[in-house]
Amino acid sequence: GQQVQQSPTSLVLQEGENAELQCNFSTSLNSMQWFYQRPGGSLVSVFYNPSGTKQSGRLTSTTVIKERRSSLHISSSQITDSGTYLCAMDNTNTGKLTFGDGTVLTVKP
Amino acid sequence: GALVYQYPRRTICKSGTSMRMECQAVGFQATSVAWYRQSPQKTFELIALSTVNSAIKYEQNFTQEKFPISHPNLSFSSMTVLNAYLEDRGLYLCGARDQGGGYEQYFGPGTRLTVL
Repeated sequence: GQQVQQSPTSLVLQEGENAELQCNFSTSLNSMQWFYQRPGGSLVSVFYNPSGTKQSGRLTSTTVIKERRSSLHISSSQITDSGTYLCAMDNTNTGKLTFGDGTVLTVKP
Repeated sequence: GALVYQYPRRTICKSGTSMRMECQAVGFQATSVAWYRQSPQKTFELIALSTVNSAIKYEQNFTQEKFPISHPNLSFSSMTVLNAYLEDRGLYLCGARDQGGGYEQYFGPGTRLTVL
């Protein structure tokens, strides 16, 4: 089965609303990284978060290792937040990132 | 800051020909370099992971004969897609980090391969 499951697959919000993106892992979590994929395809690292909560501006990431989940919260969404968000499980032994299928976020004015 | 460059950004090749792509790390030592492919309608697949002073490890369904990789120093890596066919089209991303697993990985903008 798929090791990394992201939800929702897509999300449509009005500008100003909050977004909650989830990642669940089927194997023991070593560490994890959240990415934003630009329309052209390039990946921008949003958070590297092995455990606990990290915040950067309107973005907050929370990883709970023993529950094998991580979340990305976007508060007061803006149109420019639109795009694809991917989480990736990092196997610290092998150095391999396993990606989820992504969440396509659309923020409307 | 840590940056990863990839070249070319886009390329088109005829079916059966080969294409080489490059990855350059700036601002940090790329001890570990991973090559991924994002095919249409798919998520990212790891092709291979290269760590300096270690053998390159290829994932299932990817081989050195098809995707030879060079990682000669701590700032540069290249990969060639040999004998490319339609199923090889997609976005090839290079991810590098200054250690192995457990450290943040930085990605280049990708090389988008179209096969005619």
